[in-house]
Amino acid sequence: NAGVTQTPKFQVLKTGQSMTLQCAQDMNHNSMYWYRQDPGMGLRLIYYSASEGTTDKGEVPNGYNVSRLNKREFSLRLESAAPSQTSVYFCASSEEAGGYNEQFFGPGTRLTVL
Amino acid sequence: AQTVTQSQPEMSVQEAETVTLSCTYDTSESDYYLFWYKQPPSRQMILVIRQEAYKQQNATENRFSVNFQKAAKSFSLKISDSQLGDAAMYFCAFQTQGGSEKLVFGKGTKLTVNP
Repeated sequence: NAGVTQTPKFQVLKTGQSMTLQCAQDMNHNSMYWYRQDPGMGLRLIYYSASEGTTDKGEVPNGYNVSRLNKREFSLRLESAAPSQTSVYFCASSEEAGGYNEQFFGPGTRLTVL
Repeated sequence: AQTVTQSQPEMSVQEAETVTLSCTYDTSESDYYLFWYKQPPSRQMILVIRQEAYKQQNATENRFSVNFQKAAKSFSLKISDSQLGDAAMYFCAFQTQGGSEKLVFGKGTKLTVNP
């Protein structure tokens, strides 16, 4: 099992450009998440999807859109990138296990917006 | 809303010694879960240990153990016999039970292990 995979691993954008970060999991998990990590900060939730066909905003959703394409895939789109969106982006998936949800993380995408 | 506070931005420990990382949290929930994640330079987030709030017994995983004080809303991580491979960022995280499965993270503690 590959677990959670993310593409690309690195990306440099110019202000105003758009791009989509891809995430896929092969663990048959229902829930998927997008987080961002800024220097000196923990991970902050951007959007999450509790099941195929549903998405909800997290703590910092402004400037992002998401698509839960199917059970495996959850993409994050930046329509018009801004320097404030320079960050490391993590995708995660989870399944309930004995009352809690253990989240499994992808390797992250380092995004720089110039 | 839940908040998680890690008051030690950086800590250092000598190899083979013991170190304790602090975490406090704020919540009005009675049932929840607490986690410690390790993030080495590779950036990969690795679950170190988990604690269920309804359990009084502190969780242990090999050299890693927690001191969970529910009334004080405190959740510290103790690393015994520190190894060079323990050097990483450590994040404390909170999750409510049922409903949303979101994790709320602290800002992290950078642990350096000196040989």
